[in-house]
Amino acid sequence: DIVMTQSPDSLAVSLGERATIDCQSSHTLLYTSINKTYLAWYQQRPGQPPKVLISWASTREPGVPDRFSGSGSGTDFTLTISSLQAEDVALYYCQQFYRTPWTFGQGTKVEIK
Amino acid sequence: QVQLQESGPGLVKPSETLSLTCTVSGGSISRFYWSWIRQSPGKGLEWLGYVHYTGGTHYNPSLNRRVTMSVDTSKKEFYLRLTPVTAADTAVYYCARHASEHLYHFDRWGQGSLVIVSS
Repeated sequence: DIVMTQSPDSLAVSLGERATIDCQSSHTLLYTSINKTYLAWYQQRPGQPPKVLISWASTREPGVPDRFSGSGSGTDFTLTISSLQAEDVALYYCQQFYRTPWTFGQGTKVEIK
Repeated sequence: QVQLQESGPGLVKPSETLSLTCTVSGGSISRFYWSWIRQSPGKGLEWLGYVHYTGGTHYNPSLNRRVTMSVDTSKKEFYLRLTPVTAADTAVYYCARHASEHLYHFDRWGQGSLVIVSS
């Protein structure tokens, strides 16, 4: 199985400041033949199901605020919230859809400092 | 806007069968792949398997052949069956849709159904 490891497990950021979450996979998520990276980021607010924010490592889903951005390639990825808002308090997960069984990171809890 | 809704018993006895239904509304069940995912404090988010609208399936080997998934396109429903269950199967169970009619990321999720395994 591809292991997804996120860091940190939690972080507290002041409103308006930047939050950065890292995700590392144990196998490359890049299909070189089509140059696509099979990595998604999800946000899970308390009591809610996960919601996809970013797919293909860096493509923002429709309706997702542009303060959310994804970057990285191969095995190392980053989710950045450029200016943290109160509604961004949530758990964030990375997920690989490169190979079954699809796997998720353990999650990163983002809180307000 | 497509919506998914899980339904089924919230309490299952050890060694018995967990059965859940996911109902799709506001969109088509056809042409898509549909997955079941569970979330427990101990194991985080775990993908259980998928079913295609044609009935094709693929399961997570970690479930040791305890899982069966199926679909009824006429009812716009798909199903999860897990047996026999243990306390380790206690979790919130989500149904989800794969994006773009391919086995890509999950672009729609149900609200989740808490299943407790206890005698």
